[in-house]
Amino acid sequence: RKEVEQDPGPFNVPEGATVAFNCTYSNSASQSFFWYRQDCRKEPKLLMSVYSSGNEDGRFTAQLNRASQYISLLIRDSKLSDSATYLCVVRASGNTPLVFGKGTRLSVIA
Amino acid sequence: EAEVAQSPRYKITEKSQAVAFWCDPISGHATLYWYRQILGQGPELLVQFQDESVVDDSQLPKDRFSAERLKGVDSTLKIQPAELGDSAMYLCASSPRENTEAFFGQGTRLTVV
Repeated sequence: RKEVEQDPGPFNVPEGATVAFNCTYSNSASQSFFWYRQDCRKEPKLLMSVYSSGNEDGRFTAQLNRASQYISLLIRDSKLSDSATYLCVVRASGNTPLVFGKGTRLSVIA
Repeated sequence: EAEVAQSPRYKITEKSQAVAFWCDPISGHATLYWYRQILGQGPELLVQFQDESVVDDSQLPKDRFSAERLKGVDSTLKIQPAELGDSAMYLCASSPRENTEAFFGQGTRLTVV
């Protein structure tokens, strides 16, 4: 079983739609969780950290379910500019490396 | 805004040749990572440094890859000899402290022909 698993998509949604991505992780001792965004042929960029209590940043909401070992990302009112690959990222503890999922590709269509 | 610097941006090399990539992390970031990303996949760790020490190189193909961070600042990743399967994006990232996010450079896109 991969450490971090995501549905690769693609998710094709119309502008204004709400879309949700899920991600599961295998290491129950994982402590830090992130969503990164990666545009085609560019480097990954941090979208948001994911906290146990859940957190929201504008149109983006991230949730963590430790019991079920999954993380979610909800995007409301999708924009064309949201088209990208969204990478789920987990860190086991302390100074261990970030472990990436394969990413979920989102295309927002006019 | 501080950035992770990488060079070159693009590199084309013939198989069996040597190739080297350079990374300068954000100033003050003690942790430096080298990741490799194949098209359609997520980044996979090659090596992690804490200052000048290697913390994790379990996934580094040591028969052909080497990495160093001699003064705990910038870092070099080398491949010798390059193989066709090494074609990928090589990403450098740095973190300021434990349990924080990593910031990525623009990457070096390597094509081995």
